[in-house]
Amino acid sequence: NAGVTQTPKFRILKIGQSMTLQCAQDMNHNYMYWYRQDPGMGLKLIYYSVGAGITDKGEVPNGYNVSRSTTEDFPLRLELAAPSQTSVYFCASKNTEAFFGQGTRLTVV
Amino acid sequence: GQSLEQPSEVTAVEGAIVQINCTYQTSGFYGLSWYQQHDGGAPTFLSYNALDGLEETGRFSSFLSRSDSYGYLLLQELQMKDSASYFCVEGRNQGGKLIFGQGTELSVKP
Repeated sequence: NAGVTQTPKFRILKIGQSMTLQCAQDMNHNYMYWYRQDPGMGLKLIYYSVGAGITDKGEVPNGYNVSRSTTEDFPLRLELAAPSQTSVYFCASKNTEAFFGQGTRLTVV
Repeated sequence: GQSLEQPSEVTAVEGAIVQINCTYQTSGFYGLSWYQQHDGGAPTFLSYNALDGLEETGRFSSFLSRSDSYGYLLLQELQMKDSASYFCVEGRNQGGKLIFGQGTELSVKP
């Protein structure tokens, strides 16, 4: 099993560009999450999903969108990238404990 | 504001015992978890408490008191490899929503 797979690992975006961060899990977990982590800080919840077709806002949803059309995939969409979105993004899935992907390091310049 | 409170830094020596405390808000509380993160890598699960009391997993134990909205992570027989950030994580909305604390950076000295 691969666990939670995030792509890409690194990305540089220009201000105003858009991109989708991909996240896939092969553990058949209902719960999936997107977090961002700024240097020296904790993880902030962007969006989460309790199952296919169901998503909900977390602590910092502005500037992001998600969809959950399948149990396996939970992509995160950034529209009109801003420097404030420079961060490390983690995807996770959970049954009883959460398993995290290796992260996507995003820089907006 | 931040609903989870934990110390920002803790320093201890090899072989010692260290306790990392965490207080949380009560609205929608479902359970408290602990995660470890090394050098900005993927966080990994350590322990979970849904009910009051102590959960023990090897050198790590976690405690929860719902009446005090308080929990702690206890690390025994500290090793250098335990130097990492430790996060208390509050489960809300029947456990579906996971909110991280700011993290405690643990430094283990020789």
